[in-house]
Amino acid sequence: GAGVSQTPSNKVTEKGKYVELRCDPISGHTALYWYRQSLGQGPEFLIYFQGTGAADDSGLPNDRFFAVRPEGSVSTLKIQRTERGDSAVYLCASSLHGQTSYNEQFFGPGTRLTVL
Amino acid sequence: AQKVTQAQTEISVVEKEDVTLDCVYETRDTTYYLFWYKQPPSGELVFLIRRNSFDEQNEISGRYSWNFQKSTSSFNFTITASQVVDSAVYFCALSEFLSGSAGNKLTFGGGTRVLVKP
Repeated sequence: GAGVSQTPSNKVTEKGKYVELRCDPISGHTALYWYRQSLGQGPEFLIYFQGTGAADDSGLPNDRFFAVRPEGSVSTLKIQRTERGDSAVYLCASSLHGQTSYNEQFFGPGTRLTVL
Repeated sequence: AQKVTQAQTEISVVEKEDVTLDCVYETRDTTYYLFWYKQPPSGELVFLIRRNSFDEQNEISGRYSWNFQKSTSSFNFTITASQVVDSAVYFCALSEFLSGSAGNKLTFGGGTRVLVKP
């Protein structure tokens, strides 16, 4: 079956611009996560959705970052007034359920964001 | 806060050598899960194994084996008879309970880059 997909694969933007990153989770997975991976580091948690609601957004670095999942499937991560420090690979993951910690998370290929 | 430490930044071996990747974690949870993921040059994280805190049996899957020792908070990973295709970055991760949402997130270590030379 299809895995987690993310679009675009690469995004280059200028400082101060607005960007949207899209994630299509595995069909039937109710939990969706966004992580950010800076060069040479492990992924860092940003936000977790269970169904349509953002159940935990404690990892979002500031209020320029926002994410939605209006129908409980596709999610969009939105970044306003981008800064050079936002440059990273943004990873999306989904799992069957979020409340059971043994469910492995399946990751998408990521979107590489470069802010010039 | 929970923490995962992978002290080895990069390991270089010659094909057919064994390689062991160290992972040490910190958590206050009594029940937790540990994971290993592989990130090949293509960039996609690939799930390798999950282990719960109550199961300290070592596990072997083909050329991969894992050694979980709760007493030392370690979850080490060994690749036996390494192959060039094993070249990748390997991440150890700890499942962390999110108190406000009854959900979970993964806390990753910094990763260990494995380079297998022919």
